[in-house]
Amino acid sequence: QSALTQPASVSGSPGQSITISCTGTSSDVGTYAYVSWYQQHPGKAPKLMIYDVTKRPSGVSNRFSGSNSGNTASLTISGLQAEDEADYYCTSYTTSSTWVFGGGTKLTVL
Amino acid sequence: EVQLVESGGGLVQPGGSLRLSCAASGFVFSRYWMTWVRQAPGKGLEWVANIKQDGSQKYYVDSVKGRFTISRDNAKNSLYLQMNSLRAEDTAVYYCARFQLDAFDIWGQGTLVTVSS
Repeated sequence: QSALTQPASVSGSPGQSITISCTGTSSDVGTYAYVSWYQQHPGKAPKLMIYDVTKRPSGVSNRFSGSNSGNTASLTISGLQAEDEADYYCTSYTTSSTWVFGGGTKLTVL
Repeated sequence: EVQLVESGGGLVQPGGSLRLSCAASGFVFSRYWMTWVRQAPGKGLEWVANIKQDGSQKYYVDSVKGRFTISRDNAKNSLYLQMNSLRAEDTAVYYCARFQLDAFDIWGQGTLVTVSS
């Protein structure tokens, strides 16, 4: 049950687009389309942003999108805004019937 | 309003026990899988355990197997986490979360567990 691999940090300027990767294995990301992404602001609970790799819950901005290829899933945020500055986590279902999170990525809006 | 409220956190000595609770409101609790997720200070999220609607299936992360037990009381709209043989590395904020849409869609505010002598 090793954590999924995410970059420790990414940054971008307002209006730009950024992509956060989430690399797993054939035991999780590579097998199941059950990858979701969470946004967490300091001192707050996580918030669901993307589920089933590409789907957005009601109320989440369409500036957030997800994709995957092989063992790697990705979250793209377009038209960066100051309020997007936060930590982002991916998670995936695994062949052990458990869930595993990524280590998290700190997004800085310059 | 859909809401989850955790309680029961606190300071406990290594080897001690603690029981966390999560009170659900605003939705039909018995229809959903439920989950515990924790976050050590300054660290990332870690999935801990989940439980099926009727309690018949439970899964745990390897690091807590045999020490933690997840349970629920649908009549009381409550989720629990019994934590025994606590270690320093169990120190974290513990969140309960609802499972829907193949993801954790509703989260509580968390309760802090500190394991220290």
